[in-house]
Amino acid sequence: KAGVTQTPRYLIKTRGQQVTLSCSPISGHRSVSWYQQTPGQGLQFLFEYFSETQRNKGNFPGRFSGRQFSNSRSEMNVSTLELGDSALYLCASSFLGGEDEKLFFGSGTQLSVL
Amino acid sequence: QKEVEQDPGPLSVPEGAIVSLNCTYSNSAFQYFMWYRQYSRKGPELLMYTYSSGNKEDGRFTAQVDKSSKYISLFIRDSQPSDSATYLCAPRPFSGYSTLTFGKGTMLLVSP
Repeated sequence: KAGVTQTPRYLIKTRGQQVTLSCSPISGHRSVSWYQQTPGQGLQFLFEYFSETQRNKGNFPGRFSGRQFSNSRSEMNVSTLELGDSALYLCASSFLGGEDEKLFFGSGTQLSVL
Repeated sequence: QKEVEQDPGPLSVPEGAIVSLNCTYSNSAFQYFMWYRQYSRKGPELLMYTYSSGNKEDGRFTAQVDKSSKYISLFIRDSQPSDSATYLCAPRPFSGYSTLTFGKGTMLLVSP
């Protein structure tokens, strides 16, 4: 069974631009979560989608948004990029998103903002 | 005080050593305790998963949780160079399975 797939693998943008990252969850998984990983802050939760609805949101500004499609694939968007947005963005999926669920991560998209 | 604390390392050990990786947390609501392993330029990979206090063993790995002292440990027996990675502890409350609070991780280096 294929794992969580994230595209693109690497991305370079300049300040002020916007970016869209894509995530395909494990087949059959309906919940997709996004995390940001930086050396200074570690892994921080961005948001979670289940059945095309945002179910949880972390403490990030409104420039960070996401959506989920009917096939469970998800995208996240960052508008008006800042230098501090440079990070590894990780997507994780789980089957139904219940209390006993485990998250499975993709390899991430490394975003560099110049 | 951060919710989850880990010594960043690096922790350097020779092949075959027993490794002890530790994590402390402050939130009493944490009920599930995960350990993830992350290789360079890869996403975290779930290694161990325990609920509440006690020990759990899986091959060379043992996870130990002491909720009274809010202390989590991961032991690796007969460590291998392939165990060289960053180990992240990630506790969470009963609900909110997706909102893991990760420690910053401990880098482990196992030399042949």
